[in-house]
Amino acid sequence: NAGVMQNPRHLVRRRGQEARLRCSPMKGHSHVYWYRQLPEEGLKFMVYLQKENIIDESGMPKERFSAEFPKEGPSILRIQQVVRGDSAAYFCASSLRLAASTDTQYFGPGTRLTVL
Amino acid sequence: AQSVTQLGSHVSVSEGALVLLRCNYSSSVPPYLFWYVQYPNQGLQLLLKYTSAATLVKGINGFEAEFKKSETSFHLTKPSAHMSDAAEYFCAVSGTQGGSEKLVFGKGTKLTVNP
Repeated sequence: NAGVMQNPRHLVRRRGQEARLRCSPMKGHSHVYWYRQLPEEGLKFMVYLQKENIIDESGMPKERFSAEFPKEGPSILRIQQVVRGDSAAYFCASSLRLAASTDTQYFGPGTRLTVL
Repeated sequence: AQSVTQLGSHVSVSEGALVLLRCNYSSSVPPYLFWYVQYPNQGLQLLLKYTSAATLVKGINGFEAEFKKSETSFHLTKPSAHMSDAAEYFCAVSGTQGGSEKLVFGKGTKLTVNP
């Protein structure tokens, strides 16, 4: 059973370009979470999605960032007009959500974004 | 609101010594607590979780943690450190708030194991 898949693992963009990060959850999981890890910091929650729905986007920056989880295909985190401060590791996690807060979130290997 | 404080951003122990990584939490709802481990350039792996059953939780790789409500703590311990335990450890809290079970992480503790 494959784990959470993220691609690309490393992404380099110049300032002003767009970055698209992809996340395929574990088989059977319909809940996806995105987190960002800045250097020397813990992970910060960004957004929580179910298929075709955004449940909680309280951690998303108001501008340039968006996320989706379509009925078919991976979840996408999109960053428009990237700036140097967007350089970070972005992690996706998925869960079954059998029992709300006790559910385990399984993490992918992350995408390391570098903005030049 | 929920938060986690991990005391000590770096902890160094000798191989075979006790490992103690500290975590204190704050939560306005009954907390669910987690410890994750991150090896360099990898994702996070769940070590153990507390879900209001037993207060002493056993996890993988010989780690365990004890939930102490009176101290709002969830410290991680291992009786004897191995070289392979060198990694960064994150404590996290979650609790149902508005239907979102997002994890709130501490800043992490880097564990070094000396031969």
